[in-house]
Amino acid sequence: GAVVSQHPSRVICKSGTSVKIECRSLDFQATTMFWYRQFPKQSLMLMATSNEGSKATYEQGVEKDKFLINHASLTLSTLTVTSAHPEDSSFYICSARGGQNNNYGYTFGSGTRLTVV
Amino acid sequence: DQQVKQNSPSLSVQEGRISILNCDYTNSMFDYFLWYKKYPAEGPTFLISISSIKDKNEDGRFTVFLNKSAKHLSLHIVPSQPGDSAVYFCAASWFGNEKLTFGTGTRLTIIP
Repeated sequence: GAVVSQHPSRVICKSGTSVKIECRSLDFQATTMFWYRQFPKQSLMLMATSNEGSKATYEQGVEKDKFLINHASLTLSTLTVTSAHPEDSSFYICSARGGQNNNYGYTFGSGTRLTVV
Repeated sequence: DQQVKQNSPSLSVQEGRISILNCDYTNSMFDYFLWYKKYPAEGPTFLISISSIKDKNEDGRFTVFLNKSAKHLSLHIVPSQPGDSAVYFCAASWFGNEKLTFGTGTRLTIIP
């Protein structure tokens, strides 16, 4: 089945530094990747949609200069949280869509717990 | 504006009985619905989906029912097993829009 690998699973960083999260589709080419954020006991909120080779489309209220998304290939998308602050602490999840064998369904990564101290 | 709602934040069910999780939506454009299961600190796992041309879809112990006129869907799990204890999210989309809109989740606890 379709597998999406997300790294790191958890990261602690100092306030003001940048953190990069990787999302890879391991056995299929992901035409579209999505980045979500989940606060404790809340829903998954879509942050942005990225298509390979083009700029990401950000949801309303998401700062594109703070959350940099790069989808350089059909198997890799990265989310960089720039100049992180404690309020950026959250659970970030990527999702990839693609793969004929996956019926072009959605497959989620295992998530990244970001803690900014 | 929460377009997909799960009004029960938690549900406890005895092992072996039926678990029924509910989801309501407001956007009439939604025509594809999915259910996901999520453990803490993990990504969601796909369970079952249904398109608006159907009103029922079954896969093993999982059945999803869709009532378009009421803008309501439900997930039935029978028989419930301890491993079913998790948070369940419903999600919705429509043809031509790849984005998924998630509900707020229901924490299901199966009591042995």
